Amino acid sequence: SQKIEQNSEALNIQEGKTATLTCNYTNYSPAYLQWYRQDPGRGPVFLLLIRENEKEKRKERLKVTFDTTLKQSLFHITASQPADSATYLCALRTGGQNFVFGPGTRLSVLP
Amino acid sequence: GAVVSQHPSWVICKSGTSVKIECRSLDFQATTMFWYRQFPKQSLMLMATSNEGSKATYEQGVEKDKFLINHASLTLSTLTVTSAHPEDSSFYICSARLGAETQYFGPGTRLLVL
Repeated sequence: SQKIEQNSEALNIQEGKTATLTCNYTNYSPAYLQWYRQDPGRGPVFLLLIRENEKEKRKERLKVTFDTTLKQSLFHITASQPADSATYLCALRTGGQNFVFGPGTRLSVLP
Repeated sequence: GAVVSQHPSWVICKSGTSVKIECRSLDFQATTMFWYRQFPKQSLMLMATSNEGSKATYEQGVEKDKFLINHASLTLSTLTVTSAHPEDSSFYICSARLGAETQYFGPGTRLLVL
């Protein structure tokens, strides 16, 4: 069956460290993968998109990797700050128009 | 950037009444909009894909007669929860697709059915 998993429901790290979040998928062949940030009671905000032929994408303190062999994407936040605390969702686009979301990882950056 | 609004941001209603939620793309036209539902501490679940000028496509298990979707213009889609019941209480989020790869989300509507 098709499945998207994110490594942990919650992740706590110390301010200044690098946060690494994992997204694994099964029985999908996505052309690209996206990462979103969601704050409590708000809609998700698009962060980054990485295509199947790209190994790595960066945007300021964010870095995403995509390994289609492992069927895995890693999302890194360097020099993390308390303001980075939120839930981070990965999403795949399926064969049609739809996007399928992972369950999310709730990141807490501790001062 | 692309902005999507939703109205209302929250609504409380009595069981058996109908509730309409609006989703608007403010600075771009969206042929396709999506409606999601999210329960506490869970991820977004796609309910339906709304296409301007045609019938919505519903995901398996979503009752089309209960969740009426209308996408009458390129900037507006509406979701009507008909005869709402307490189990319909949830956070409803819409998104509008811009280009082939990106969707922008609204801020969500919290529905509480008493």
